[in-house]
Amino acid sequence: NAGVTQTPKFRILKIGQSMTLQCAQDMNHNYMYWYRQDPGMGLKLIYYSVGAGITDKGEVPNGYNVSRSTTEDFPLRLELAAPSQTSVYFCASRNPASGSVSEQYFGPGTRLTVT
Amino acid sequence: AQTVTQSQPEMSVQEAETVTLSCTYDTSESNYYLFWYKQPPSRQMILVIRQEAYKQQNATENRFSVNFQKAAKSFSLKISDSQLGDTAMYFCALLFGNEKLTFGTGTRLTIIP
Repeated sequence: NAGVTQTPKFRILKIGQSMTLQCAQDMNHNYMYWYRQDPGMGLKLIYYSVGAGITDKGEVPNGYNVSRSTTEDFPLRLELAAPSQTSVYFCASRNPASGSVSEQYFGPGTRLTVT
Repeated sequence: AQTVTQSQPEMSVQEAETVTLSCTYDTSESNYYLFWYKQPPSRQMILVIRQEAYKQQNATENRFSVNFQKAAKSFSLKISDSQLGDTAMYFCALLFGNEKLTFGTGTRLTIIP
């Protein structure tokens, strides 16, 4: 299994541009998450999904959109990029049926700079 | 609202020594989970250890163990026989029923040869 994969690894955007961060997992996990990590900080939840067709807002959803048309993929869309969205973005997934202790598996991250 | 506080931004210790990283949290939930994640320079988030709040016994994973004090809302990580590969950022995290994992701000740990 490749686990959780994210593309691209790095990206530089100009203010006002849009882009989609891709996330895929091959573990058949129902739950998927998007986090952002600002310098010197912990991760903050942007959006999450408990299954195909179901998404919900996390702590910092403004400026982002998500969709979940398949179990495997959970893309994150940035519309009208702003410097405040400069961050490292992590995707994660979890299988709630794997047990009572809920480990999330993380992708390698995407470093995004908006200038 | 749930909060996680890590009061030690940076720590360093000699190789082979023992180090303890502190974490306190606040939640009104009765059933929740606590985690320690390691983030090396590669940025990959790696689960180190987990604890279920309803279990009184402290979790251990090889050289890593926790001191879970539920009444005090404290969840510290002890690393024994520290190794150079333990150099990383360590994040304490709290998960409760609605799937929202709340992270602390992290402790940067450096193991000195």
